[in-house]
Amino acid sequence: SSELTQDPAVSVALGQTVRITCHGDSLRIYYASWYQQKPGQAPILVMYAKDNRPSGIPDRFSGSSSGNTASLTITGAQAEDEADYYCNSRDSSGYHLVFGTGTKVTVL
Amino acid sequence: QVHLVQSGAEVKKPGASVWVSCKSSGYSFTNYYIHWVRQAPGQGLEWLGQINPNNGDTRYPQKFQGRATMTRDTSMNTAYMELRGLTSDDTAVYYCARLAFGSRISSHFDHWGQGSLVSVSS
Repeated sequence: SSELTQDPAVSVALGQTVRITCHGDSLRIYYASWYQQKPGQAPILVMYAKDNRPSGIPDRFSGSSSGNTASLTITGAQAEDEADYYCNSRDSSGYHLVFGTGTKVTVL
Repeated sequence: QVHLVQSGAEVKKPGASVWVSCKSSGYSFTNYYIHWVRQAPGQGLEWLGQINPNNGDTRYPQKFQGRATMTRDTSMNTAYMELRGLTSDDTAVYYCARLAFGSRISSHFDHWGQGSLVSVSS
């Protein structure tokens, strides 16, 4: 079982804001990274070290962290943001990595 | 430009073993850890372990200890993952991913292979 838990699904109206959360005790120590995955494609990195966006990722994506929760926010969601999103971090031991359970984002 | 190119799809019978390769280009292969991640049909991402291409050191989660082996060939800039004792539960897309430089408290994968489908069926 995953040590990082996410809501299974969220929906957002086109142009509105949605926040995806990731909960886990290890997040009190380690930063989460976030990956977007569309059907049939490999994941791509969209956020790391709490609030760092890789080049090429739109600035409507932002990240934050507090306590045992990391968050990825999409401000002004676009149709192309519809995808599965996974958080990732180290486990409580610090020796292994673990993925969150994943959140399916639907843009209405 | 960084590329991770994986081997093709495999069909295996229960009990068999499978090798998946991941050829790196566009960067210094020995400077970045390679991790392996899998995704069963309709399921989430699962971490399988890591290899340090510089010295071959590996680390696996307990679930895959003794069943997965990760190796590398530095002359070919290629990492390999072997999984033994396959069952239908191992049917999945297997990805390799490069761990970016970070800090002790920050780990993230900046490049991924295209994925290799492994199907296990009698």
